Amino acid sequence: QKEVEQNSGPLSVPEGAIASLNCTYSDRGSQSFFWYRQYSGKSPELIMSIYSNGDKEDGRFTAQLNKASQYVSLLIRDSQPSDSATYLCAVNKDNNNDMRFGAGTRLTVKP
Amino acid sequence: EAQVTQNPRYLITVTGKKLTVTCSQNMNHEYMSWYRQDPGLGLRQIYYSMNVEVTDKGDVPEGYKVSRKEKRNFPLILESPSPNQTSLYFCASSSWGEYGYTFGSGTRLTVV
Repeated sequence: QKEVEQNSGPLSVPEGAIASLNCTYSDRGSQSFFWYRQYSGKSPELIMSIYSNGDKEDGRFTAQLNKASQYVSLLIRDSQPSDSATYLCAVNKDNNNDMRFGAGTRLTVKP
Repeated sequence: EAQVTQNPRYLITVTGKKLTVTCSQNMNHEYMSWYRQDPGLGLRQIYYSMNVEVTDKGDVPEGYKVSRKEKRNFPLILESPSPNQTSLYFCASSSWGEYGYTFGSGTRLTVV
């Protein structure tokens, strides 16, 4: 079992819709959770972090964490074509800056 | 501008010819790390460093070396590159206790 698992996609949504990206992790002791966006040929860019159960909202992005289910999600409201990218879920295991990444979900937002 | 700078961006080399990929950050970050990214496998950690003179293996360290003589620099050394090290490499840094990484622009390495 991979430490961090994501559906590779591609996930395709129409412009203006809500895109929902999911991630599960195996280490129940994981403390910190992150979403990175990576455009094709570019480096990953941190867009959201979440540390406690529940929802965290930042503009059109909402991160959701459920530690009991070992599940993290990212919702993108009012999706735009510029949101088309690969989204990487990352988990910090031991609060020591050591990050584990999922393989990423490729999102396409169609005009 | 706060950034992580990697060089070169692109490199084509031959099997066995030693090479170094440089990484430098200007944010006074303690933590630095090297990843390789391959299709379907995501980002896999090669080596990381928690501070000057402190380095440790990640998940895929075979065939790589690193050093951390200064806080800002963390070069990745391939002593004898092989074709299976053809990949996209990223350097990343973070401040201790702030776990979000800042990534460099990446180095696309091809070993023929």
